Amino acid sequence: NAGVTQTPKFQVLKTGQSMTLQCAQDMNHEYMSWYRQDPGMGLRLIHYSVGAGITDQGEVPNGYNVSRSTTEDFPLRLLSAAPSQTSVYFCASSYGLKAYNEQFFGPGTRLTVL
Amino acid sequence: QQQVKQSPQSLIVQKGGISIINCAYENTAFDYFPWYQQFPGKGPALLIAIRPDVSEKKEGRFTISFNKSAKQFSLHIMDSQPGDSATYFCAGGYSTLTFGKGTMLLVSP
Repeated sequence: NAGVTQTPKFQVLKTGQSMTLQCAQDMNHEYMSWYRQDPGMGLRLIHYSVGAGITDQGEVPNGYNVSRSTTEDFPLRLLSAAPSQTSVYFCASSYGLKAYNEQFFGPGTRLTVL
Repeated sequence: QQQVKQSPQSLIVQKGGISIINCAYENTAFDYFPWYQQFPGKGPALLIAIRPDVSEKKEGRFTISFNKSAKQFSLHIMDSQPGDSATYFCAGGYSTLTFGKGTMLLVSP
């Protein structure tokens, strides 16, 4: 099992550009989520999904879009990148939405917006 | 906003010492409190977790102490080792998790 994979590992964007961060898991997990990690701010939930075709907003959803067409994939889209979106992005998956389900994190994508 | 407050922000402990990280939560509906460990350049990984119906959980050198009335819980790392140097996040939730801001632990040789 590859677990949770994320691509790319690093990305530099200019303000206003768009891009998609990819996330895939091979554990047949229903729940997938995206977090951003900023210095001194911990992990903040951006969007999450409880299954194919179902997504919901987390704590900091503005500027990001998601969709879930398959169980395996959960891409995160930045439509018009802003410097405030410079961060490390982590995708995570778990068996279900309940908090007691262990979340498995990917290795992260470090994004810089100039 | 449902917060989980974590302290200290950073911690330096000598090898063999005890590392203690504290967290406090606000939402009494939270029913699960995990700790995640993150090494540089890696994603967080579950270290240990507790439910509010127990006051303590121990796994090896790692212990969670939980005080439901005070809405506080803490992570104790006994006999701290340089390999424990990492960032530790506490969290709480009943569906999605709310994370604390993290503690950077450095265990000096």
